[in-house]
Amino acid sequence: DTGVSQDPRHKITKRGQNVTFRCDPISEHNRLYWYRQTLGQGPEFLTYFQNEAQLEKSRLLSDRFSAERPKGSFSTLEIQRTEQGDSAMYLCASSLVQAGANEKLFFGSGTQLSVL
Amino acid sequence: AQSVTQLGSHVSVSEGALVLLRCNYSSSVPPYLFWYVQYPNQGLQLLLKYTTGATLVKGINGFEAEFKKSETSFHLTKPSAHMSDAAEYFCAVGSGTGGFKTIFGAGTRLFVKA
Repeated sequence: DTGVSQDPRHKITKRGQNVTFRCDPISEHNRLYWYRQTLGQGPEFLTYFQNEAQLEKSRLLSDRFSAERPKGSFSTLEIQRTEQGDSAMYLCASSLVQAGANEKLFFGSGTQLSVL
Repeated sequence: AQSVTQLGSHVSVSEGALVLLRCNYSSSVPPYLFWYVQYPNQGLQLLLKYTTGATLVKGINGFEAEFKKSETSFHLTKPSAHMSDAAEYFCAVGSGTGGFKTIFGAGTRLFVKA
């Protein structure tokens, strides 16, 4: 168990640029989540995948945001035409959901995005 | 709808003193309640959770929390603070399986003085 890894750890970009983040979940986990965390706040749900299917998206996820999990393993989160308000920590979490068992989330260390 | 309120964005205690971090929740269904800890430059780590059954829940690192339905509270305690407990703590409420249904509080940063 190597844990959930996220890349890059930090990203600085100029307003209007596109950015892409990657998340590698724990290998046998079937669910993968993206959260956003701004300074002084707890994580806010953005979207999640069950295997390769994206099952839920928050209203926070504007049209400029897109997430994929093409083979049910790693996931990418892309933000197009970044805005200063997108500056935040983007957290990925994964879990193994099994019938009759409570879900436990494992979080990555996050990608800190700064939009100048 | 569910919500979480953590009372106090910052709490400071002396090493060896009692740690008390307060959390109140609102939920229209029986809640699942969680405490997570986040150390600098690290992801969130589950400390403990309440789903059903015993209302006093013991977690890792000597922490425990008690679910009080009448007070809609789930306060986190530790009898004796250690320097290594300095971190940010998040209370969260969920309605069952499904991390997307988990609502996090704003967090409480714990400072431990030598």
